[in-house]
Amino acid sequence: EPEVTQTPSHQVTQMGQEVILRCVPISNHLYFYWYRQILGQKVEFLVSFYNNEISEKSEIFDDQFSVERPDGSNFTLKIRSTKLEDSAMYFCASSEQGTGQETQYFGPGTRLLVL
Amino acid sequence: DQQVKQNSPSLSVQEGRISILNCDYTNSMFDYFLWYKKYPAEGPTFLISISSIKDKNEDGRFTVFLNKSAKHLSLHIVPSQPGDSAVYFCAASGGGGSNYKLTFGKGTLLTVNP
Repeated sequence: EPEVTQTPSHQVTQMGQEVILRCVPISNHLYFYWYRQILGQKVEFLVSFYNNEISEKSEIFDDQFSVERPDGSNFTLKIRSTKLEDSAMYFCASSEQGTGQETQYFGPGTRLLVL
Repeated sequence: DQQVKQNSPSLSVQEGRISILNCDYTNSMFDYFLWYKKYPAEGPTFLISISSIKDKNEDGRFTVFLNKSAKHLSLHIVPSQPGDSAVYFCAASGGGGSNYKLTFGKGTLLTVNP
């Protein structure tokens, strides 16, 4: 069964460093998403992406965040200058058509720890 | 901002009995609802969904009920099995011009005892 994959599974970085989290969405899906879950809190939407453009972003997704689809398979989330409060699980998701009434399928997540 | 609420942080049931997980929402623009199951150190796994035009959807042991007037949905698992022990998240989409993002509840930890 097709699945979303994410690398790395864990990332430890120093405050102020740049990190890139990688995702391979399900191959025939057109819409891609990033969510995060800070320990003990809800899963929160960060950004959605379609046709090489951001479709929607939350207030969390400020100028230090960016997303990119550098090739036909990868979808990346870059955090330019990490802060302590960026420590969280980051989940990538994808959906087939982005109609809003369809399932988003999630990857296993990347645990980011900022020291 | 608690547009999706799961008021029970945990639920414990005996194997073979029914598990009922509840979810309330406040945004009347939500038109699609999903339940995800999550094990520690894994991503959310899709279980079942329901559109706002329906009041019930069933898939094997899992049934989701939607009461739009009460802005309430529930997930029924019958019979419950020990492997069902996980955190269950309710999520909704379609709120107020946003067709894409999912808004999640805080989750309910279900423990099914053998």
